[in-house]
Amino acid sequence: QVQLVESGGGVVQPGTSLGLSCTVSQFTFSNYGMHWVRQAPGRGLEWVAFIWYDGSNEFYTASVKGRFMIARNNSRNKLFLQMNSLRAEDTALYYCVRDAAFRSSPDWYFDRWGRGNQVTVSS
Amino acid sequence: DIQMTQSPSTLSASVGDRVTITCRASQSTSSWLAWYQQKPGKAPKLLISQTSNLERGVPSRFSGSGSGTEFTLTISSLQPDDFATYYCQHLRTFGQGTKVDIK
Repeated sequence: QVQLVESGGGVVQPGTSLGLSCTVSQFTFSNYGMHWVRQAPGRGLEWVAFIWYDGSNEFYTASVKGRFMIARNNSRNKLFLQMNSLRAEDTALYYCVRDAAFRSSPDWYFDRWGRGNQVTVSS
Repeated sequence: DIQMTQSPSTLSASVGDRVTITCRASQSTSSWLAWYQQKPGKAPKLLISQTSNLERGVPSRFSGSGSGTEFTLTISSLQPDDFATYYCQHLRTFGQGTKVDIK
């Protein structure tokens, strides 16, 4: 059973930083690109960031570019999201998500999801 | 970026009903479209990729169709487990969601 487990969320003040982690199991992590997708309370889904299976390239949604950084450690089966200069509008449940494409450019089909980790930005 | 617009936003239906949700793109997406189901407190689940490819384990009452800028998700006979919110998605962009609730 493929598993993705997020950790590291919490309540922080605006302007501060927070890091999320996602530990995966039951699939070969290094073969898949990975995304972060978020969902604000009572709202829809918003794609945040993507990293290639080998870590060679990254994409970000415009609202987080320059503030967030996605990274991965394939030897430890871990995905990361470093979030800096946090804003109230970053408050959301953050999902770690697998891209369905195998060792290639992303196909943008999100076939496995973690349960999500809550990030709340509030003064 | 392409905008994805779903209709309706909310749909009230009964068990056994045929349900259709529409997703319109602001420009052509070719066939690059997915549908997800999300239940309260749960992560989304991929139902359909590439417009009409049913994911493994998804019941055959779900189907997807369309091309270009207009796509549909159809549930042929709504079951109790299908009451949920459904999202379409093209690349980085999700639709705003359609909540299917009990009539």
